[in-house]
Amino acid sequence: GENVEQHPSTLSVQEGDSAVIKCTYSDSASNYFPWYKQELGKGPQLIIDIRSNVGEKKDQRIAVTLNKTAKHFSLHITETQPEDSAVYFCAAPLWGGFKTIFGAGTRLFVKA
Amino acid sequence: TAGITQAPTSQILAAGRSMTLRCTQDMRHNAMYWYRQDLGLGLRLIHYSNTAGTTGKGEVPDGYSVSRANTDDFPLTLASAVPSQTSVYFCASSVDPYNEQFFGPGTRLTVL
Repeated sequence: GENVEQHPSTLSVQEGDSAVIKCTYSDSASNYFPWYKQELGKGPQLIIDIRSNVGEKKDQRIAVTLNKTAKHFSLHITETQPEDSAVYFCAAPLWGGFKTIFGAGTRLFVKA
Repeated sequence: TAGITQAPTSQILAAGRSMTLRCTQDMRHNAMYWYRQDLGLGLRLIHYSNTAGTTGKGEVPDGYSVSRANTDDFPLTLASAVPSQTSVYFCASSVDPYNEQFFGPGTRLTVL
């Protein structure tokens, strides 16, 4: 079936360094790629998303890149801060349906 | 605006008992979703509804049922709970599958 693979499962960085999380999807018809951040005890919250008609999108310290040919997209966080510590999920909705497939998540630790 | 609410916050349930998890949104979103979140497995879609009166099966629908009598409410029912249904359950809503999903705070369910 269709799936979304996310790597790494855990990432530890020093404050101020960059963090990169990668996802690969299988449904070539997918055209919307969101990233969610989940803090402890809370529901996931959208931090950035990208559509298939662009290759990169930035919002302050966060950026997402998309390679439709290779079917992968990545989250880039620059100048990481302790409050960036959380679990991050990528996702891709299957075209033509309402099924959104989430990656397994990446737990990011930012050490002060 | 409350956004999306879930009840109860947590529940301990004896195996074989039934239970309904409640979800209400006030954003007039057409689409609603139920996910379960287990450690290391990310978010898995249980059921979805693309509009009032219609529902569909997600990745892991067995043992669960849903209804969508109106736009705002999307209850999830476990007819006869089993220990493998111990999980954190999140309800979400969106305008459509290709836009941001707004998540509730979750319900932590333990089946003994």
